[in-house]
Amino acid sequence: GNSVTQMEGPVTLSEEAFLTINCTYTATGYPSLFWYVQYPGEGLQLLLKATKADDKGSNKGFEATYRKETTSFHLEKGSVQVSDSAVYFCALSLIQGAQKLVFGQGTRLTINP
Amino acid sequence: GAGVSQTPSNKVTEKGKYVELRCDPISGHTALYWYRQSLGQGPEFLIYFQGTGAADDSGLPNDRFFAVRPEGSVSTLKIQRTERGDSAVYLCASSQVNTGELFFGEGSRLTVL
Repeated sequence: GNSVTQMEGPVTLSEEAFLTINCTYTATGYPSLFWYVQYPGEGLQLLLKATKADDKGSNKGFEATYRKETTSFHLEKGSVQVSDSAVYFCALSLIQGAQKLVFGQGTRLTINP
Repeated sequence: GAGVSQTPSNKVTEKGKYVELRCDPISGHTALYWYRQSLGQGPEFLIYFQGTGAADDSGLPNDRFFAVRPEGSVSTLKIQRTERGDSAVYLCASSQVNTGELFFGEGSRLTVL
């Protein structure tokens, strides 16, 4: 079946630290990959995406590269801020144009000043 | 409003009761999705509408769950004979077809006592 496994949280870092949140997937086809973020009191929102192998998605200083050989889509940021504190979800979709997403369990990130 | 609106934000009911959850998508979005998120887990797909019709309802857990979108805009998720295991946050999302981005509401938290 199709599934997404994320690094377990919670993750706590100091401001300006380097961030990596690991995500690996299992899929029967060639998925599109996504990172969604949920800030406190808000709905899930798309952070970045990649639709094919070796694509790099980036947004707000976050990056993730679609690695087919390792079936991974790790999220990275070079210098985190307090405002990055949120829950991060990795997800995949196998259907182009229809976002029937399979989500990981989420990773709660807390950044301390 | 500009975003996806869900009502009620919180619903507490007793086992065996009937519940309706409403979703008002972003104006002009033709696709609408329902997901369910249990505590500590990522969202799980329930059903997807394209216009008025349910294009994929493979995620509905059993026949107690039903959703409609009669005019291609607002959708209602209906749960009959609620069980304690139905307690979760029910998320609605909408999108324009083929954009690859879902816009989520803040969810309706259902608690079945």
